[in-house]
Amino acid sequence: GEDVEQSLFLSVREGDSSVINCTYTDSSSTYLYWYKQEPGAGLQLLTYIFSNMDMKQDQRLTVLLNKKDKHLSLRIADTQTGDSAIYFCAELSPGGGNKLTFGTGTQLKVEL
Amino acid sequence: DTEVTQTPKHLVMGMTNKKSLKCEQHMGHRAMYWYKQKAKKPPELMFVYSYEKLSINESVPSRFSPECPNSSLLNLHLHALQPEDSALYLCASSQEDTSSYNEQFFGPGTRLTVL
Repeated sequence: GEDVEQSLFLSVREGDSSVINCTYTDSSSTYLYWYKQEPGAGLQLLTYIFSNMDMKQDQRLTVLLNKKDKHLSLRIADTQTGDSAIYFCAELSPGGGNKLTFGTGTQLKVEL
Repeated sequence: DTEVTQTPKHLVMGMTNKKSLKCEQHMGHRAMYWYKQKAKKPPELMFVYSYEKLSINESVPSRFSPECPNSSLLNLHLHALQPEDSALYLCASSQEDTSSYNEQFFGPGTRLTVL
């Protein structure tokens, strides 16, 4: 099947904004998520958006959803070195069973 | 307690060994999951348990055998693995509630190496 696509790598300077993009596959997905994975650790949910929303803001995080293009983005304002990690978008399959399909992952590197 | 614990943290095993991975949560979640994650790749779903019954098996080879002895525990029994099974195995849990955003809480994983 199709992959949920993300760009592989993003490098930003501390204090700048980061934008991580995701193209998902299933237009009927109900929820879309952003997870963060630090080295040697499990995944941590950062934020999510319901499919009937266009935008969601949560402190430094802004999620934009374009359902027509099946495009999801995560903007991190004032990026810090502690934000360096791999970021995965994920879509919840509408068929039930709590099945998440993860994107290919974007490694964010924050430089001083 | 919002933690999912996994043991062991690291495991090295030969192809003829039998071993088990363990996962525990005390959040009252009734859905539990096993994922496999290869280096630099996203997690891939292996199994889902819902109310202690296997609800999803993503065509996983029979050398991986899941078990859910109670609502807090999830095991993954390993037998006759291949070197390509070396990966990070992640356990997760969530509410069994399809009406909400249903956050999955992940454990730190078991790093498995098959020699």
